[in-house]
Amino acid sequence: EAGVAQSPRYKIIEKRQSVAFWCNPISGHATLYWYQQILGQGPKLLIQFQNNGVVDDSQLPKDRFSAERLKGVDSTLKIQPAKLEDSAVYLCASSPRRTSGRYDNEQFFGPGTRLTVL
Amino acid sequence: KQEVTQIPAALSVPEGENLVLNCSFTDSAIYNLQWFRQDPGKGLTSLLLIQSSQREQTSGRLNASLDKSSGRSTLYIAASQPGDSATYLCAVRPSSGGYNKLIFGAGTRLAVHP
Repeated sequence: EAGVAQSPRYKIIEKRQSVAFWCNPISGHATLYWYQQILGQGPKLLIQFQNNGVVDDSQLPKDRFSAERLKGVDSTLKIQPAKLEDSAVYLCASSPRRTSGRYDNEQFFGPGTRLTVL
Repeated sequence: KQEVTQIPAALSVPEGENLVLNCSFTDSAIYNLQWFRQDPGKGLTSLLLIQSSQREQTSGRLNASLDKSSGRSTLYIAASQPGDSATYLCAVRPSSGGYNKLIFGAGTRLAVHP
């Protein structure tokens, strides 16, 4: 079974430029997550999709970050314009459809995109 | 607000040592706790998951314990090997405030040298 795919793997941009990341989850996974991991910190959830609807985007800086999940499969995360503090690894994860009565589900992580903003 | 802290931040040991990594969390209202491994340039790999009703879980040379009431978990690595070198992350799933939400600590960076 193929894992979570992300591209590009690395990106270097100047501040105030725009950038987009792409994620292809494991086939059939209903839930998709984007995390931001700043150097020396743990991953922080930016946005969670259930199919193509947003479940949680409470920590997404909406003035500059946007994300979409068209047709409930692939997802893109965009930053416009980028700031120096956006330098981080952006991780995408997916999990299977929720099982009735359970409040958790294993998340499978992609390799991440390392963004450097100069 | 749930906060997760991991101590130490970094650890360097010779091969063969037994190790203990610590994780603490501020709110005991958790559904479960999970330990992950992160290798440079790769995603996170799940190591062990402990449900809130459990005290410990074991997998090979790894043993994780959970004391929910005191907000603590430990990951024990027996007979460490150079291949264990990685960053180890602890994460909790709060029992309220969202489905399948993970809150991570900053990790312990482990280096095992031959």
